[in-house]
Amino acid sequence: SQQGEEDPQALSIQEGENATMNCSYKTSINNLQWYRQNSGRGLVHLILIRSNEREKHSGRLRVTLDTSKKSSSLLITASRAADTASYFCATALTGGFKTIFGAGTRLFVKA
Amino acid sequence: GAVVSQHPSWVICKSGTSVKIECRSLDFQATTMFWYRQFPKQSLMLMATSNEGSKATYEQGVEKDKFLINHASLTLSTLTVTSAHPEDSSFYICSAQQGPINQPQHFGDGTRLSIL
Repeated sequence: SQQGEEDPQALSIQEGENATMNCSYKTSINNLQWYRQNSGRGLVHLILIRSNEREKHSGRLRVTLDTSKKSSSLLITASRAADTASYFCATALTGGFKTIFGAGTRLFVKA
Repeated sequence: GAVVSQHPSWVICKSGTSVKIECRSLDFQATTMFWYRQFPKQSLMLMATSNEGSKATYEQGVEKDKFLINHASLTLSTLTVTSAHPEDSSFYICSAQQGPINQPQHFGDGTRLSIL
């Protein structure tokens, strides 16, 4: 099965609300990354959190990492309609040479 | 910075045709390039990893003779889908990585391949 699994699979919220997406993984990681994908486009890197970090912020994004639970969360505060996209977590495995992407969360922000 | 250009963005062709997709890093040198396949509403499936000047490393289940990858320079990788059939129809995305492994990847905008 996939290294990274996310929940929820889909999320629909009103503009201005916060959106939280979770990611769980199975094996030891070097870092965890979050990406965004607009429909029919490539992915855009949002934020990288290293295995020795617990929390990281970038603008309206807040990422947490709990290596004991092998999980991460992405929080988007004060969401906007333009945040509508799919969000993927990706894990860079310890000693590995590739990054494995989770199944993604489809976020829909209603104006 | 870190722009990756992927061409073409859309291809429709007849069964049996070979299709070449280009992936270029425009403003940086990519130590590693990756090729992914994505089915509708699903995650990215890594097909292969390529480093400049060496043979690509294919993931299990990906046919090397079907999906030819060439990484001739630090800024260009190509994926050729040989003798394409309808089941090869998909969204193909490349990405490029600069510097050490496990760093963020920079993605192209993908190629939607439709085989009739």
